[in-house]
Amino acid sequence: SAVISQKPSRDICQRGTSLTIQCQVDSQVTMMFWYRQQPGQSLTLIATANQGSEATYESGFVIDKFPISRPNLTFSTLTVSNMSPEDSSIYLCSVEELHEQYFGPGTRLTVT
Amino acid sequence: DAKTTQPTSMDCAEGRAANLPCNHSTISGNEYVYWYRQIHSQGPQYIIHGLKNNETNEMASLIITEDRKSSTLILPHATLRDTAVYYCIVRADTNAGKSTFGDGTTLTVKP
Repeated sequence: SAVISQKPSRDICQRGTSLTIQCQVDSQVTMMFWYRQQPGQSLTLIATANQGSEATYESGFVIDKFPISRPNLTFSTLTVSNMSPEDSSIYLCSVEELHEQYFGPGTRLTVT
Repeated sequence: DAKTTQPTSMDCAEGRAANLPCNHSTISGNEYVYWYRQIHSQGPQYIIHGLKNNETNEMASLIITEDRKSSTLILPHATLRDTAVYYCIVRADTNAGKSTFGDGTTLTVKP
């Protein structure tokens, strides 16, 4: 099974600033996925990150707000830009191997 | 992906079997049934998946009805550590990694 780590595990940020979240996987994967979980809510897919191409964003999410990098097959970053309190959420990185989807521990972001 | 319907919450006594139902009446022929759980403050954990046959692994069993319109996740001997939100997801292979999470079932295992 894939092991996923994320940094930071949590952060408190001021509105208007940006935060970059890192995701590291212990194996090479073609696609990595970024999810958001707002307080008391279920998970929502933000985007799919393929190595060597631009990320594909789901409806309601745009590259200017959530730029993603995918420099190699084991690493990705998600930036939350120009943050507002509504961006306070847990952000999770995910990969899938042979029908089994694995999630990182999440980054808990609080925007004040 | 097909929509799923799950009860909001369930209780189960420790040591007893927990049976979590899921309705997916609009499931397509190429869509799999996946189950995940999320223990408080952790990332979701994959449990099991199936297409049409019943499946069993070290964590749970998945029973899918013959018409595939519903399924049941069975935790054979629930422990307090099984208290979590359980998500039933229906998804095609072509949407690997793109899971649509509903509200899930909050299972509380009681001593």
